[in-house]
Order: sequence, then C-alpha cells, then structure tokens
Amino acid sequence: EAGVAQSPRYKIIEKRQSVAFWCNPISGHATLYWYQQILGQGPKLLIQFQNNGVVDDSQLPKDRFSAERLKGVDSTLKIQPAKLEDSAVYLCASGGYYGYTFGSGTRLTVV
Amino acid sequence: AQKITQTQPGMFVQEKEAVTLDCTYDTSDQSYGLFWYKQPSSGEMIFLIYQGSYDEQNATEGRYSLNFQKARKSANLVISASQLGDSAMYFCAMREALSSGTYKYIFGTGTRLKVLA
Repeated sequence: EAGVAQSPRYKIIEKRQSVAFWCNPISGHATLYWYQQILGQGPKLLIQFQNNGVVDDSQLPKDRFSAERLKGVDSTLKIQPAKLEDSAVYLCASGGYYGYTFGSGTRLTVV
Repeated sequence: AQKITQTQPGMFVQEKEAVTLDCTYDTSDQSYGLFWYKQPSSGEMIFLIYQGSYDEQNATEGRYSLNFQKARKSANLVISASQLGDSAMYFCAMREALSSGTYKYIFGTGTRLKVLA
C-alpha cells in the first residue's frame, strides 16, 4: 500500500508570512493526525481528524494555525502569520489502534 | 494524565552489541498499547514494535524486542546485534483512548542512539 504523502519536504519563509502543508493519508484510514516536532523534542499532537471532523485540536494555536480535511481524505495545515518558534518538522500520520504510519514530514524554517 | 518518560537523552553502543533503551509510562487505563518508533536523521518516523497491555508475551520483531514489565510500568526496547544503521532517535509512545472512540498517541522525549564502529 502507498504510504502517507506529504509536501513540501522543506520550506523556508520569513516571519509573518503564511505557509501551507499538504498530507494525503493511507487509503481507507479514517483518522489523520498532524504533529509538530521541534528539534530535540518528541512529536506534539496539533490536531486529529476522524474522517472530516475534528476530534482533538486542544494544542493547536488557533490564532495562527488552521487545518482542514474537507472530503475526509487529504488535509492541509496552514500557519498565518508564522513566528520564529514555528520552526519545526510537521508530521502527518494516519492509522489507528495498532499504530501510526507517518509521512516523511515537512521541515519548516522561519527566518 | 497519561505520560511517557524516557530518561536517557543519549546512548552509545558498540557495533554488534545489544542495547536497551528505557521507557516508563503512567496510565490509569486497563487497556493500552505501547509502541517504539525510530527516527533517522532524515526525519521520518518508522514504526518498530507494538505491545498490547493484555499481551502475555514480550513482543519481538527481528532484532527488536520489547521488555514489558507491567507491574513496573516499563516498556524497554532491546536492540540486539546493533548495526551502524541503528543510529537514530528512538521514541516510546502510548496509545490513549479518547471519548470519541478514536485514539491518539503520546510520545516520550526520545533517546538518541549512536552505534560505534
């Protein structure tokens, strides 16, 4: 089966600019997760979707971050405006009871 | 609240030797799952091994085994016959059941393993 697809692989933006990341989960996986991983730390859950509904977005900074999964398949995560502390790897994952499959991640650098 | 603790920020091991990466967890749930993931420098998270809370035997996957001690709430990863390609960050994670009927996973802070030639 095809894995979790993410793009872009790398992104460099200036602070206060906006950026969007895309994720296409494994076919048939109803649950999709976005994680933020700051260098040297473990992944932190930003938002979890079940089909096209939000299950958990308690750690999503909603003043600047937004995410959608309109048709219950692929998803986009947006940051507007970006801050220096948003520099991190953004990981998308899909799966369920027996674990996740992660995408290759998007490495964001805010300068 | 559920919590995963990895107390070893970094570990060194000689090639071909075995190494144990520590993980302790805290949960009040009776049913839970424990996982280990590997993250090479490329950044991708790779699933290694899974242990269910009701599994009586320790999980094994090739050179990886999970030393599950339920009473001590520990789920240590053992890598046998280390290879240079095992150099990476290793994360312990636990599955948490949500009221929605879905699951989310919480991760430890990771252990960086360096295999020496």
